[in-house]
Amino acid sequence: EAGVAQSPRYKIIEKRQSVAFWCNPISGHATLYWYQQILGQGPKLLIQFQNNGVVDDSQLPKDRFSAERLKGVDSTLKIQPAKLEDSAVYLCASSLVGVLTYSGNTIYFGEGSWLTVV
Amino acid sequence: AQKVTQAQTEISVVEKEDVTLDCVYETRDTTYYLFWYKQPPSGELVFLIRRNSFDEQNEISGRYSWNFQKSTSSFNFTITASQVVDSAVYFCALNTQGGSEKLVFGKGTKLTVNP
Repeated sequence: EAGVAQSPRYKIIEKRQSVAFWCNPISGHATLYWYQQILGQGPKLLIQFQNNGVVDDSQLPKDRFSAERLKGVDSTLKIQPAKLEDSAVYLCASSLVGVLTYSGNTIYFGEGSWLTVV
Repeated sequence: AQKVTQAQTEISVVEKEDVTLDCVYETRDTTYYLFWYKQPPSGELVFLIRRNSFDEQNEISGRYSWNFQKSTSSFNFTITASQVVDSAVYFCALNTQGGSEKLVFGKGTKLTVNP
């Protein structure tokens, strides 16, 4: 079974430029997550989708970050304009069942998209 | 609020030594799940184990074992006879019923196994 796919793997941009990351979750997984992992820290949730609806985006800096999940499958995370502090690994993840019935489902992660803002 | 604390920032051992990674969690929910993930240098978070709050039985999987103690809110991870390939950052994470299925991570413990 294919895992969570992400692209690009690496991106270097200048501050104030824009960047977009793409994610394809595991087939059939209803819930998709974007996490931000700053060097030396644990991942922090940015946004959570169930199918194509947003469940939680409370920690997404909405003035510069946006995300969408069209048709409830692939997702794109965009940063515009980027700041130096956005340098991090952006991890996409997915889980099988939606959040309506709590079951603590295992969340599977992709390899991440490494962003450096200079 | 949910919180996970991994007090050990870095651990260095020699191959074949046993090593225990500590994890302490905080939550007011009675239903929750605990996880351990491994993050090698490539960056992917690899799922290791999932444990629910009603199952305090310890688990062993090969050289890996986990000790879950609700009384001390701890979920510790032991690697027996460590190998160089075990070198990675290990994260403990918490998923609670009141947390809409999202994971809250600790800061991670970097394990280096030297030959």
